[in-house]
Amino acid sequence: DAGVTQSPTHLIKTRGQHVTLRCSPISGHKSVSWYQQVLGQGPQFIFQYYEKEERGRGNFPDRFSARQFPNYSSELNVNALLLGDSALYLCASSAIGATNEKLFFGSGTQLSVL
Amino acid sequence: KNQVEQSPQSLIILEGKNCTLQCNYTVSPFSNLRWYKQDTGRGPVSLTIMTFSENTKSNRRYTATLDADTKQSSLHITASQLSDSASYICVVSASGSSNTGKLIFGQGTTLQVKP
Repeated sequence: DAGVTQSPTHLIKTRGQHVTLRCSPISGHKSVSWYQQVLGQGPQFIFQYYEKEERGRGNFPDRFSARQFPNYSSELNVNALLLGDSALYLCASSAIGATNEKLFFGSGTQLSVL
Repeated sequence: KNQVEQSPQSLIILEGKNCTLQCNYTVSPFSNLRWYKQDTGRGPVSLTIMTFSENTKSNRRYTATLDADTKQSSLHITASQLSDSASYICVVSASGSSNTGKLIFGQGTTLQVKP
């Protein structure tokens, strides 16, 4: 059984561009969360989706948006990229997104903004 | 402000030795506390999850403790192996509708196990 898969694994963009990151959860999982991890820091919560609805949002600007599809996969979009957006973007899935559930993380997308 | 702080920032130990990592948090209302292991360039992998009523939980050579009164947790690694070299992250989950799905991560402790 495949774990959480993210694509692409690495990405290089320039300032002002737009980027779309993709995540496929573990089969049967309906909740997907997105996190940003800057080098040397712990991950920071961006969004959580469950059954295609946004369930939670962290302190990120409106340049960050996401959606979840009927097959429970998810996309994270970032507009007008800034140098500070360079980070490892992690996706995690769980069955129903309950607070006590175990989260399963993908290996992340390493985004570099030049 | 909800915060999770870990110490030490980094640690070097010899293979076979034990070590203990610390985590202090100021998250409220508290739901659960998790320890994750993160290898370089990979996503975090769950080691333990503890709720308010649990004060010890073990997973192979990893033992986590939780003192909900002092808002402190520790992760003890026994008989360390080279493969234990990684970043260990303490994560606290807040409960309540305004905190749904929101995990507060510490900055991690980087452990290096040397032969």
